[in-house]
Amino acid sequence: KAGVTQTPRYLIKTRGQQVTLSCSPISGHRSVSWYQQTPGQGLQFLFEYFSETQRNKGNFPGRFSGRQFSNSRSEMNVSTLELGDSALYLCASSRPEGGELFFGEGSRLTVL
Amino acid sequence: QKEVEQDPGPLSVPEGAIVSLNCTYSNSAFQYFMWYRQYSRKGPELLMYTYSSGNKEDGRFTAQVDKSSKYISLFIRDSQPSDSATYLCAMSVYNFNKFYFGSGTKLNVKP
Repeated sequence: KAGVTQTPRYLIKTRGQQVTLSCSPISGHRSVSWYQQTPGQGLQFLFEYFSETQRNKGNFPGRFSGRQFSNSRSEMNVSTLELGDSALYLCASSRPEGGELFFGEGSRLTVL
Repeated sequence: QKEVEQDPGPLSVPEGAIVSLNCTYSNSAFQYFMWYRQYSRKGPELLMYTYSSGNKEDGRFTAQVDKSSKYISLFIRDSQPSDSATYLCAMSVYNFNKFYFGSGTKLNVKP
């Protein structure tokens, strides 16, 4: 069974640019969550999508947004990038009823 | 105060030792608990998931939850060098998916 797939794995952007990250969940999983991981703040919840609707949202500015498609694949977007947005962005999927989170390998974003 | 507190370590033990990793939390509404292992430059790998007080065992790993003390533990028996990684605890109020993570404990198992 294929795991959670995230693309791209690595990317470098400059301040002010925007970035889109993609996530394909485990087959049959309809809930997709996004987390930001930094050395200083650890893993922080960004948002969660279920059936193409945002069900939960963390405490991040509006520059961080996401969406989910009918096939459960998800994208997150960060606009007007800041240096502090450099982080590992992790996507996790779970069964429709919730429960265990299964993470992808992450997309490592560097903002210069 | 952070929702979840976890000693960052590093924790260094000899191969074969029993390792105890712990997290404390402040929100008494947390009901769902998980432990993850994360190798450098990799995504977190789920080790244990539990939603009740008491112990849950899986191979060399035992997860323990004490809701009255707001304290969870992960025990690793017969630790191996391949167990060297950062261990993260996570917890949530509901079964769906806003989990709060500890900062992680870095474990080094020496051959």
